[in-house]
Amino acid sequence: SYELTQPPSVSVSPGQTATITCSGDRLGDKYVCWYQQKPGQSPVLVMYQDNKRPSGIPERFSGSNSGNTATLTISGTQAMDEADYYCQAWDSSTYVFGTGTKVTVL
Amino acid sequence: EVQLLESGGGLVQPGGSLRLSCAASGFTFSSYAMSWVRHAPGKGLEWVSGISSTGDSTYYADSVKGRFTISRDNSKNTLFLQMTSLRAEDTAVYYCAKDVGGALGVWGQGTMVPVSS
Repeated sequence: SYELTQPPSVSVSPGQTATITCSGDRLGDKYVCWYQQKPGQSPVLVMYQDNKRPSGIPERFSGSNSGNTATLTISGTQAMDEADYYCQAWDSSTYVFGTGTKVTVL
Repeated sequence: EVQLLESGGGLVQPGGSLRLSCAASGFTFSSYAMSWVRHAPGKGLEWVSGISSTGDSTYYADSVKGRFTISRDNSKNTLFLQMTSLRAEDTAVYYCAKDVGGALGVWGQGTMVPVSS
């Protein structure tokens, strides 16, 4: 089965850039989405089709996907961005989620 | 406002069964594929099952294939997940989500399913 791997944690200072990676075999051939989940809350879609932001998602969120790695970048990270982030791709008629990354804003 | 409201969760013994429901409102339910996703304590998100807009096609994660059945009633704007032969490892918060072209654009608030004796 297809697997997506993310770093368990990323730490960032307020106002700096957080970079979250998602690795999978030939991931660049697929569309990747990203979800943000805060404790006790439902996940929220923050990026779809690699680099498109849903309505209401701040411009500081951006995405890219090439080769075997997709990346979610948070520029000018704010305290409110502290959360778990999951990448997701579609493979063989199933959704596949990444292992998840906890972003801590120090 | 687009809303998804899950119900039906609760404590169940290993080997038992449970049916989850997800009531949709604020959009044309019959036009969208839907999915169930779960979040076990201390673990990551896991996609469980999906169904096409008409209900003609269904998809399952290997971990639940043969035990869970997804269905929908477009006349009642409701999604279902019938869960049988439940195991401790099925313990999770179960979310229904609206498929917006390969992404899960709207999520419900979730319903907790503890499987324990």
